[in-house]
Amino acid sequence: DAGVTQSPTHLIKTRGQHVTLRCSPISGHKSVSWYQQVLGQGPQFIFQYYEKEERGRGNFPDRFSARQFPNYSSELNVNALLLGDSALYLCASSQQGRGDPEAFFGQGTRLTVV
Amino acid sequence: AQRVTQPEKLLSVFKGAPVELKCNYSYSGSPELFWYVQYSRQRLQLLLRHISRESIKGFTADLNKGETSFHLKKPFAQEEDSAMYYCALRGSNYKLTFGKGTLLTVNP
Repeated sequence: DAGVTQSPTHLIKTRGQHVTLRCSPISGHKSVSWYQQVLGQGPQFIFQYYEKEERGRGNFPDRFSARQFPNYSSELNVNALLLGDSALYLCASSQQGRGDPEAFFGQGTRLTVV
Repeated sequence: AQRVTQPEKLLSVFKGAPVELKCNYSYSGSPELFWYVQYSRQRLQLLLRHISRESIKGFTADLNKGETSFHLKKPFAQEEDSAMYYCALRGSNYKLTFGKGTLLTVNP
């Protein structure tokens, strides 16, 4: 099992552009959560999806959106990118979502907005 | 609102010395507390959770509701314990809130 996989690993975008980040959970895991980690800070919760439904949303603007597909993979979309969106974006998966803590994280996607 | 505070950004100890990484939280209900660890060039991973009351890699953490603390302790630090440690809280909304992390360095 490859664990939680994220793509791409690195990305450079220009202000105002749109970006899509992808995450594949561990086989059998139905919950996917997204976190933003700015340099020097801990991960900050963005979204949680379970069985294709949004179960939780953090304090992020509407420019951030996500969805989960029937195979439980997920996409995080960010519109109208700002310099401040530059961060490491982490995806985590768990089996049941609300019962389990996020024990398995991906390696992250490093987004740089210039 | 839920908040996690890790007062030490950096902590340096010698091998064999006891280590304590501090974590204080703010939450009005009954939280779940966790410690996560990230070794160099590795992924973030769950180390332990307070409800299981287990010891992982020699680390323990006790939830003190009176002091709203969940400090991580190990009696004898090893060089391989050097890593970034994050304390995290989960409230009734099941959202994980992380602290800013403490970078532990264990010197030989």
